[in-house]
Amino acid sequence: DQQVKQNSPSLSVQEGRISILNCDYTNSMFDYFLWYKKYPAEGPTFLISISSIKDKNEDGRFTVFLNKSAKHLSLHIVPSQPGDSAVYFCAAREYTGANSKLTFGKGITLSVRP
Amino acid sequence: EAQVTQNPRYLITVTGKKLTVTCSQNMNHEYMSWYRQDPGLGLRQIYYSMNVEVTDKGDVPEGYKVSRKEKRNFPLILESPSPNQTSLYFCASTHTGTGINQPQHFGDGTRLSIL
Repeated sequence: DQQVKQNSPSLSVQEGRISILNCDYTNSMFDYFLWYKKYPAEGPTFLISISSIKDKNEDGRFTVFLNKSAKHLSLHIVPSQPGDSAVYFCAAREYTGANSKLTFGKGITLSVRP
Repeated sequence: EAQVTQNPRYLITVTGKKLTVTCSQNMNHEYMSWYRQDPGLGLRQIYYSMNVEVTDKGDVPEGYKVSRKEKRNFPLILESPSPNQTSLYFCASTHTGTGINQPQHFGDGTRLSIL
């Protein structure tokens, strides 16, 4: 049972345009959401996060939106740059009092065309 | 530089030959965790540690052991590796596992092939 879903395996956008990466989740106990970027042969790198009590968090070109009622979050990258081309993972944390386990989606491969 | 370091980065070995993947962090983090990444499955947690001498199972612990004798180190041990443990492994750490909203930082990964 996949609790974090990234239904689109890939996305291609033109440089300078907006990239929108989507993520859906099913577990209402998730309280903290994160986006990671991953290049080949490297580990996931933290990009941006949002607490479940907020609906938006912005950091430079990156904005994450959270819609709790729809159990949906999205990452907006504006403007997109060729260096943004990577695999993006959505992750969600369920804090149980004993574990801060992250549950990951399968990832979306973003390609930004020059 | 703040980092999580895993060794080795790549290993090809044979069924049944014990191996250890080391993980070390220099950020004085209390919480450390191991994940494996398999095609089509994302990252899944193997084991985690809330602090020194405190470890527990994640979602896919079978065939693995861990230890946490020092705060900075969290080795992953495969006592008798099998081909189904062929995977890409990531170690991660964060300041604390007590629910504070801080991201986990990942190592660069260890690709294991068990023949």
